[in-house]
Amino acid sequence: AQTVTQSQPEMSVQEAETVTLSCTYDTSENNYYLFWYKQPPSRQMILVIRQEAYKQQNATENRFSVNFQKAAKSFSLKISDSQLGDTAMYFCAFVPRGGATNKLIFGTGTLLAVQP
Amino acid sequence: DSGVTQTPKHLITATGQRVTLRCSPRSGDLSVYWYQQSLDQGLQFLIQYYNGEERAKGNILERFSAQQFPDLHSELNLSSLELGDSALYFCASSVFQGSTGELFFGEGSRLTVL
Repeated sequence: AQTVTQSQPEMSVQEAETVTLSCTYDTSENNYYLFWYKQPPSRQMILVIRQEAYKQQNATENRFSVNFQKAAKSFSLKISDSQLGDTAMYFCAFVPRGGATNKLIFGTGTLLAVQP
Repeated sequence: DSGVTQTPKHLITATGQRVTLRCSPRSGDLSVYWYQQSLDQGLQFLIQYYNGEERAKGNILERFSAQQFPDLHSELNLSSLELGDSALYFCASSVFQGSTGELFFGEGSRLTVL
């Protein structure tokens, strides 16, 4: 079975500092996508960043970057220069590429609080 | 704005009742997914439709059903409601074939069962 694990239920960071959220996954697939979604208090699900498993280069989107370790099945999210607006629940998600369905498998989430 | 529209945004009803949640996918997206998020929980996959046909089924209760219509909008029907059905129900859409994997989510329908 394919699973996504986020072992940090809650984290806190001071404004302007850097924080890293952890995610591990389990799959026998070789080609897949990984995502980080953000859910702020508004409850909207917002895509933060995407990584394709066949690409060795880590994805970066402005202040957000990932550390993708395929062999270790690890996919952590680093947020630099944290801002108050980054306060949200962050979900790691996985989907095999080219499968019969594109349903995302989500982790249980990490609640990040950015402190002023 | 993701382009996915869900109605209603909020719904309060009583146990034993039936409700229908509606979703309009992004223009051009053929695939619709329904997820349930209970209080302080992750997202649980319920069901996926592709171009009108059921494509995948998750942990969807027998009291729940869904369908996708020829115009590609989808409805999730919840019947014989119980207190535990109170949750945020998300609809998401994607191109599916040839996509880059991500789903685009609506704002959700918050269901409260009293």
